Amino acid sequence: SAVISQKPSRDICQRGTSLTIQCQVDSQVTMMFWYRQQPGQSLTLIATANQGSEATYESGFVIDKFPISRPNLTFSTLTVSNMSPEDSSIYLCSVGPTEAFFGQGTRLTVV
Amino acid sequence: AQTVTQSQPEMSVQEAETVTLSCTYDTSENNYYLFWYKQPPSRQMILVIRQEAYKQQNATENRFSVNFQKAAKSFSLKISDSQLGDTAMYFCAFMKQSNQFYFGTGTSLTVIP
Repeated sequence: SAVISQKPSRDICQRGTSLTIQCQVDSQVTMMFWYRQQPGQSLTLIATANQGSEATYESGFVIDKFPISRPNLTFSTLTVSNMSPEDSSIYLCSVGPTEAFFGQGTRLTVV
Repeated sequence: AQTVTQSQPEMSVQEAETVTLSCTYDTSENNYYLFWYKQPPSRQMILVIRQEAYKQQNATENRFSVNFQKAAKSFSLKISDSQLGDTAMYFCAFMKQSNQFYFGTGTSLTVIP
């Protein structure tokens, strides 16, 4: 199993600003994943973060809006850029490989 | 493309009774994993049970068991002896060999005392 620490747990941000979410894992993992969970909805994969290469984004998500860093095998960040109220969601990171372990999530509210 | 469908947005069950949550999926892959996750109000995603597609035997984890029908692409979750702590959102999920997950829309389960 893996223990994942995600920070911040929640934040309220002004529109037009950016927020960086951190995800720390207690063991080395090859792939880390970032999800968005809009209010009352399921999880949608934003991107897969691989160490040493650019993140792979799912359809509908772009690097300019959601830049991701993966400096080593235990850490990743997701930035939500130029935020609007539509970005208000829970953002979760997870790691594999044969099951997904999740962080506690970051509840983002954009006002 | 992979899709996961949960047709029951909400369900309720009396404490100590049994309830079954439905899930169907669509994929062209032959090797994959299926999961049920629980998300209580704390929003922490908790793994309930996992099934490897190549295994014919249905997975069981204490009060939780699945009915995996590969040909029908069906993966239902049975919760026996329901407890108040089982109240949560339940998500069915599909994982490709590439470790990418796809989640259903969830079923909100309420256990009634």
